[in-house]
Amino acid sequence: EADIYQTPRYLVIGTGKKITLECSQTMGHDKMYWYQQDPGMELHLIHYSYGVNSTEKGDLSSESTVSRIRTEHFPLTLESARPSHTSQYLCASSDAGRTEAFFGQGTRLTVV
Amino acid sequence: QKEVEQNSGPLSVPEGAIASLNCTYSDRGSQSFFWYRQYSGKSPELIMFIYSNGDKEDGRFTAQLNKASQYVSLLIRDSQPSDSATYLCAVRAGANSKLTFGKGITLSVRP
Repeated sequence: EADIYQTPRYLVIGTGKKITLECSQTMGHDKMYWYQQDPGMELHLIHYSYGVNSTEKGDLSSESTVSRIRTEHFPLTLESARPSHTSQYLCASSDAGRTEAFFGQGTRLTVV
Repeated sequence: QKEVEQNSGPLSVPEGAIASLNCTYSDRGSQSFFWYRQYSGKSPELIMFIYSNGDKEDGRFTAQLNKASQYVSLLIRDSQPSDSATYLCAVRAGANSKLTFGKGITLSVRP
């Protein structure tokens, strides 16, 4: 069954640690996205990719970085986590054309 | 002006009523329009999409698109308490454009 997976679902980590949030999709979608969302607040696009070796910054500035070496995989990395990075991170993917984006279950990150 | 505006809300309706959710967008070249539902603490899930002017019905949900006026709306008939959630409007300008979300409208359906 086609789906989009994010790991871990929850992460509590100390300040200064390097973290990588994983996102994988089995739908063969070209486009992938990372959104950041605080509780009760709107979605903010922080990174997107239109295909392998293609990455762009989103509308909200983020200290995180992304890579797209394989079509199905779009990890997000924070080199040095800070409490201000505490948020929910949502990964999504979509096919070429006018189709909708499918979301993963999200990673809730807490930096202490 | 934000690209996708959802200004009304929060919205509260009694069970069984019609809930009307509105969204306007700024890019006249927009081609694809989506409504997502997001329960608290969960990811957004697609409930409707519409590409052409007019109405599109799916069960209790109707999406309405008016490109000349640059608005898209979602009607929920016979509202149920389980419809209580935040509804996100999303717009895509073209095949290779990113999906832009509005800030969402929170709907509460009173039993």
